[in-house]
Amino acid sequence: DIQMTQSPSSVSASVGDRVTITCRASQDISRWLAWYQQKPGEAPKLLIYSASSMISWVPSRFSGSGSGTFFTLTINNLQPEDFATYYCQQATSFPLAFGGGTKVEIK
Amino acid sequence: EMQLLESGGGLVRPGGSLRLSCAAFGATFSNYAMTWVRQAPGKGLEWVSGISAGGGSTNYAGSVKGRFTISRDNSKNTLYLQMTSLRAEDTALYYCAKGGLPTADSALDAWGQGTTVTVSS
Repeated sequence: DIQMTQSPSSVSASVGDRVTITCRASQDISRWLAWYQQKPGEAPKLLIYSASSMISWVPSRFSGSGSGTFFTLTINNLQPEDFATYYCQQATSFPLAFGGGTKVEIK
Repeated sequence: EMQLLESGGGLVRPGGSLRLSCAAFGATFSNYAMTWVRQAPGKGLEWVSGISAGGGSTNYAGSVKGRFTISRDNSKNTLYLQMTSLRAEDTALYYCAKGGLPTADSALDAWGQGTTVTVSS
């Protein structure tokens, strides 16, 4: 089974900061990686698929990159509505797996 | 855009069974794979099971294989998860989610609000 490892598990940041979250796969998943945002009490929402393709509602300050085993999610100019938990997910091989999550907190 | 509404959660004793349902509205249900994802209290997301658009292909996490069965009725636009031999560690909020492709190995672009399963004596 493919394991997904996210880091950091949490990060404290201020409005206007840049935040970078990394996700490593235990084996090559090409670009079959998705990123989700989850706010407290809400269902997750898809942000990015195929490593870097943005969903229409996602602001341009979000970006994804990577391929193979190493991926990043970057949030530029962090806004109050971006404070949430972010998960990566590999979408190439069953069982599909999520990373452990990264909580972006207000400093 | 597909809307999803889960139901069927509740309190069940260890060893018991429960069937979750997920009703889909607003898009062609039969075109897309569907997935169950769960989240234990205060924990991260765990992929549970996926089913292809036509229902002919199913996959399970190792933690539920042999105990849970995913199925779908495309004539009723409904996804199911039959859960048996339930354990305390199955306690979670269960989400159904729509895949972006007919096959279940895809990103999940629509989610329901979840239904809570509690396994306790």
